[in-house]
Amino acid sequence: QVQLVQSGTEVKKPGASVQVSCKASGYDFLGFGLNWLRQAPGQGLEWMGWISPKRGDTRTAGKFQDRVTMTADGYTTTAYMELNSLRSDDTAVYYCSRDFSDVLVGLPGFWAQGTLVAVTS
Amino acid sequence: EVVLTQSPGTLSLSPGERATLSCRASQSVSASYFAWHQQKPGRTPRLLIYATSARAPGIPARFSGSGSGTDFTLTITNLEPDDIAIYYCQQYSASPYTFGQGTKLEIK
Repeated sequence: QVQLVQSGTEVKKPGASVQVSCKASGYDFLGFGLNWLRQAPGQGLEWMGWISPKRGDTRTAGKFQDRVTMTADGYTTTAYMELNSLRSDDTAVYYCSRDFSDVLVGLPGFWAQGTLVAVTS
Repeated sequence: EVVLTQSPGTLSLSPGERATLSCRASQSVSASYFAWHQQKPGRTPRLLIYATSARAPGIPARFSGSGSGTDFTLTITNLEPDDIAIYYCQQYSASPYTFGQGTKLEIK
C-alpha cells in the first residue's frame, strides 16, 4: 500500500532554512508526481509545489518561487523540500502528497502525516 | 492564478439532512480538473471527489459533486455525525494548483 512518511518537527529561527523529507514506499516512486503543501495553524491548505521524481521537473507557486527547492532521489525513494529565509508566518504543518494518478498532475491523493515547522526567535 | 471562493464559511445541519457546499472559481476551470477534499479534525486531508464528480476509492455514494465553468458543488446527503470536517475545493487545471479557503461542516 502507498505509504509516505515525513521527517519530524523542526524549530527554526527567522532567516534560517529547513529541509523536510518524505520517504515513499509501496508504489513505483518514479511513476507519480509529489506535491508539497502547507497548513498554517487554524488556516486552510496551501499548495506550494510539485515535482516529478522521474524527470526532476518542478512546478512552484509564485510566492515560493525564490525560496523553495524540491528534489527527489529515486534510489532512496525520498523527496525533499527545502524552504529558505524562514519567517514567522512560515510556521505551519508541511505535507507531501502523492498525485492520485500518474496522469492527474497536481491532484493530491495520498498524504503523509505532516511535519510541523515552527519559526520562532 | 485561479482563486477559489467557497461558501458558506460554516454550515450547521442535523443528521439526516442534505449539505450543499459551493465553490466559485475566478476563471473557468475544466471539469476534468476539479476536486474536493475532506479534512476531519486533527487529521490529514483525504481526497473525496475528482474530475468534478468521480468519487475516490472508498468514498460512499452520499458524497456527490457537480458543476462546470466557474461554479461547482459538493452535495452530502443523509448527513452523519462522522461527516464533521472542513471541506476544500481544489483546481488542478493550471499551476498553481489552488485550494478554496474551506467550508466547515458542523452537525447539530
